[in-house]
Amino acid sequence: DTEVTQTPKHLVMGMTNKKSLKCEQHMGHRAMYWYKQKAKKPPELMFVYSYEKLSINESVPSRFSPECPNSSLLNLHLHALQPEDSALYLCASSQSGDERFFGSGTQLSVL
Amino acid sequence: GENVEQHPSTLSVQEGDSAVIKCTYSDSASNYFPWYKQELGKRPQLIIDIRSNVGEKKDQRIAVTLNKTAKHFSLHITETQPEDSAVYFCAASRGGSYIPTFGRGTSLIVHP
Repeated sequence: DTEVTQTPKHLVMGMTNKKSLKCEQHMGHRAMYWYKQKAKKPPELMFVYSYEKLSINESVPSRFSPECPNSSLLNLHLHALQPEDSALYLCASSQSGDERFFGSGTQLSVL
Repeated sequence: GENVEQHPSTLSVQEGDSAVIKCTYSDSASNYFPWYKQELGKRPQLIIDIRSNVGEKKDQRIAVTLNKTAKHFSLHITETQPEDSAVYFCAASRGGSYIPTFGRGTSLIVHP
């Protein structure tokens, strides 16, 4: 299995909702990442997990809360989001830290 | 930190023509330079990468060149096809656990 799987593919939520994004990889990669991407812009790094521990938080607002339950799973919990948080949220994994394997993303709309 | 500039932002070519996308970087310690292709509505996918110990790398119709002295690297696509239409991102990093810095992207349009 050489894929990073993300669910759901699409998500619409209100500003008072709580939702979670899920990411799974079975390649044995040691590092997992959350990125946010606006249309036709490069991915912006949000969080890095290395060996299941949070190693980088790029000053992301607390309404985004990551979680790494085990070496194959990565979640992103969302609460009280703003309309400007609407974007494509990409999960990625890497073994060496160089090549990123990206998931297909969750297209999030905040109303 | 690293700064990556990418040009052009949009590139329009006729099918069969060549396309060249250029990136410059600022951190002389960067040694890993990947290129990602992102089709509309899809994930970014690595198409080719180069490390600082080589000057050029080819994979069929795609090649990447690196000039360490000038701190720039380029993606070359020959015999372009409509399916090459996508946004291409370059990136630079020191490798390993260092986080790559992405360029702003080039939207390549190949007209049939």
